[in-house]
Amino acid sequence: QKEVEQDPGPLSVPEGAIVSLNCTYSNSAFQYFMWYRQYSRKGPELLMYTYSSGNKEDGRFTAQVDKSSKYISLFIRDSQPSDSATYLCASTANSGYALNFGKGTSLLVTP
Amino acid sequence: DSGVTQTPKHLITATGQRVTLRCSPRSGDLSVYWYQQSLDQGLQFLIQYYNGEERAKGNILERFSAQQFPDLHSELNLSSLELGDSALYFCASSVLAGGPRNTQYFGPGTRLTVL
Repeated sequence: QKEVEQDPGPLSVPEGAIVSLNCTYSNSAFQYFMWYRQYSRKGPELLMYTYSSGNKEDGRFTAQVDKSSKYISLFIRDSQPSDSATYLCASTANSGYALNFGKGTSLLVTP
Repeated sequence: DSGVTQTPKHLITATGQRVTLRCSPRSGDLSVYWYQQSLDQGLQFLIQYYNGEERAKGNILERFSAQQFPDLHSELNLSSLELGDSALYFCASSVLAGGPRNTQYFGPGTRLTVL
């Protein structure tokens, strides 16, 4: 069983909608949490980086970590067609260690 | 553009063959990580090097090996290839071996097809 689980979707929303992407993890030692965005045939690009619990906001994106329930979320406000991609959550106990990835959620934002 | 480069972009080969994938990290980054991405397993960590030394191993097969050279570029060698080795192979790099701001930046990947 993977240490990070993520619903693969696909998730289809209309432009302007609020998108909620979620992951769960099983390793209590994880304290670094990331969201990567991957466009088709491209490498993953870092979107959000969070250390320990709490919220972090960057423009239209908000990352949320609840360590008590081992739950990771990414919210996208005012979604755009250019947000259509696969979103990967990742966790690790030490930022120098290997990342443990979810399988990714495919998001489609329709105009 | 992350600053991490990988060559080649695509590789098509036959079962039983050996290939070498190359990665150049971002300028100033000392750590290099290799990941394999397949449809059924997702992104999986293979191996990490830090400043020329192997630092961590993940789900890397014995048929696979890697090294990091003095100029910090890295190569992933895949031998006795099987159909199931067909996947995207990503290299990532980071500045340090750890620390709160040590994020990993991914290259564009090498798509390997084994026929």
